[in-house]
Amino acid sequence: DTGVSQNPRHKITKRGQNVTFRCDPISEHNRLYWYRQTLGQGPEFLTYFQNEAQLEKSRLLSDRFSAERPKGSFSTLEIQRTEQGDSAMYLCASSRGEAKNIQYFGAGTRLSVL
Amino acid sequence: AQTVTQSQPEMSVQEAETVTLSCTYDTSENNYYLFWYKQPPSRQMILVIRQEAYKQQNATENRFSVNFQKAAKSFSLKISDSQLGDTAMYFCAFMKHLYLGGSQGNLIFGKGTKLSVKP
Repeated sequence: DTGVSQNPRHKITKRGQNVTFRCDPISEHNRLYWYRQTLGQGPEFLTYFQNEAQLEKSRLLSDRFSAERPKGSFSTLEIQRTEQGDSAMYLCASSRGEAKNIQYFGAGTRLSVL
Repeated sequence: AQTVTQSQPEMSVQEAETVTLSCTYDTSENNYYLFWYKQPPSRQMILVIRQEAYKQQNATENRFSVNFQKAAKSFSLKISDSQLGDTAMYFCAFMKHLYLGGSQGNLIFGKGTKLSVKP
């Protein structure tokens, strides 16, 4: 059990560029969640996967955001045409999907859009 | 929609003392879970303690305990014998029971309380 891994830890980009983040969940965790955390706020739900299927997307996830989880293993979150308002910490969490659904978080990717 | 409110943006406590962090929530659900997560500076979020709504007994984990008042929709965290390593942001979170209709298992977080433990 090596924990949830996220890469990169920090990303600085210019407005209008595309960025992609990666999350490697704990092995055999079938559920994977993406959250966004802005300064002074708690994390907010973006989307989640059960195995390879993306089953829910928050209204926070605009058309510029896309997430994938091929083969039900790692997941990627891509933001196209980044805007300054996208600057935030992007957190990934995974769980076994049992009733209490304990979620284990990665350290996050901090995105700064200049 | 469910909401979680943490009314204390910042708190401080002396090492070895006891501190209580407040959390209230709003929901029409009867079956749910409540959590306290700890987020140390520049480190990942860690689960501190959880409470099942159907259990009347308050959860405890070593120095951490909760006061769960279901009717009042209150879920406070008590940290006893505070240690310097307890310095962190603490988030209260709500989750609808995973196997109820419409539940995605996502957590709904409060804005957090920044706790500083002073030597």
